[in-house]
Amino acid sequence: GAVVSQHPSRVICKSGTSVKIECRSLDFQATTMFWYRQFPKQSLMLMATSNEGSKATYEQGVEKDKFLINHASLTLSTLTVTSAHPEDSSFYICSASDTGQGTYEQYFGPGTRLTVT
Amino acid sequence: EDKVVQSPLSLVVHEGDTVTLNCSYEVTNFRSLLWYKQEKKAPTFLFMLTSSGIEKKSGRLSSILDKKELSSILNITATQTGDSAIYLCAVSSNSGYALNFGKGTSLLVTP
Repeated sequence: GAVVSQHPSRVICKSGTSVKIECRSLDFQATTMFWYRQFPKQSLMLMATSNEGSKATYEQGVEKDKFLINHASLTLSTLTVTSAHPEDSSFYICSASDTGQGTYEQYFGPGTRLTVT
Repeated sequence: EDKVVQSPLSLVVHEGDTVTLNCSYEVTNFRSLLWYKQEKKAPTFLFMLTSSGIEKKSGRLSSILDKKELSSILNITATQTGDSAIYLCAVSSNSGYALNFGKGTSLLVTP
């Protein structure tokens, strides 16, 4: 099946710094990528949808200036958490969809666990 | 507002038992319902259901969609400790490609 990677898998940063998370589709072109956040014992919450070459669409309540998303190529999307605070500590998961083929299946990356101290 | 509700929220069973997990949804322009299994990392895909009444099966797992009742069940027979995980139900609509997830059912299978 399709493979999606995320890097880093785990990151610890200090409050006030920025962290970039990469999401790559390894064997297909991802016209659309999704970023989710999952707090402990809770479900995945969609943060934003990014389409290659255009601006991301953010879900209500997600600050676009804090969570910068760039989807510059068909295989790479990045999420930058700017001026991170401890409450941003969470499990961030991306998924990718080859919507150009008309399939709607999403392939999930392994996730990035962010801890802000 | 689209909604996905899973029940029960958590379940503890003994190895060998059969379990049934439920998912009900309210979504405009329903396209598909998906089941995922999540252990310690990201969810892994189990099933995608689009048509009512057609059972999908993979080993000891099976799932079926009832569009009239706006619900789906996931069955696991002869459970094993390796089935312990959170099972997530998600729904997609024709208005976009994003998935709307339920809160999940946490299953613990004890030896």
